[in-house]
Amino acid sequence: EVQLVESGGGLVKPGGSVRLSCAASGFTFSFYSMNWVRQAPGKGLEWVSSISSTSLYIYYADSVKGRFTISRDNANDSLYLQMNSLRAEDTAVYYCATDYGDYSRFDPWGQGTLVTVSS
Amino acid sequence: DIQMTQSPSSLSASVGDRVTITCRASQSISNYLNWYQQKPGKAPNLLIYAASSLQSGVPSRFRGSGSGTDFTLTISSLQPEDFATYYCQQSYSTPMYTFGQGTKLEI
Repeated sequence: EVQLVESGGGLVKPGGSVRLSCAASGFTFSFYSMNWVRQAPGKGLEWVSSISSTSLYIYYADSVKGRFTISRDNANDSLYLQMNSLRAEDTAVYYCATDYGDYSRFDPWGQGTLVTVSS
Repeated sequence: DIQMTQSPSSLSASVGDRVTITCRASQSISNYLNWYQQKPGKAPNLLIYAASSLQSGVPSRFRGSGSGTDFTLTISSLQPEDFATYYCQQSYSTPMYTFGQGTKLEI
């Protein structure tokens, strides 16, 4: 079964840090670019960051550039998001998603992990 | 950045109805347009890619169309499980993917 499972979310103070993980199984993780997408409570979807299959190409949304770092470990089928200097507006459910094939369709997605930034 | 605008933001319909959701891009994106369904508390699920290609396992009552700047998602006969929020996503300007604001389909 193709599956992505996120972990690492929780309550963090403003200015704090957290590292999210996404464990992949059921497909050849190293073949695919991966993404983080977030969703603030009651809001829509926002693309956060992408990393190519070999980590050669990395991109960030302007809203997180300089604060978040995406990385991956193909040997362990894992994706990461290091989140520093967190702000209240970073509060969201964070999803990892596979960039599957042409047209960059996101499939599958993980179940999401909630990051709450609050004092 | 390419902006994606969906309409309507919310829609009330009944089981058996035919509904159409529109997505407009701020510039031409050819057919680089994907549609997702999201149910409360769940991750989004891919329905349509490349504007009109049905993702494997998705019922044929879902249909996507359009190219350039204007796109539609049509559900031909609403089923109870279709009440959800729908998002379009442009993948033309990779990797600066942008989503529409969502359309909530309610009973």
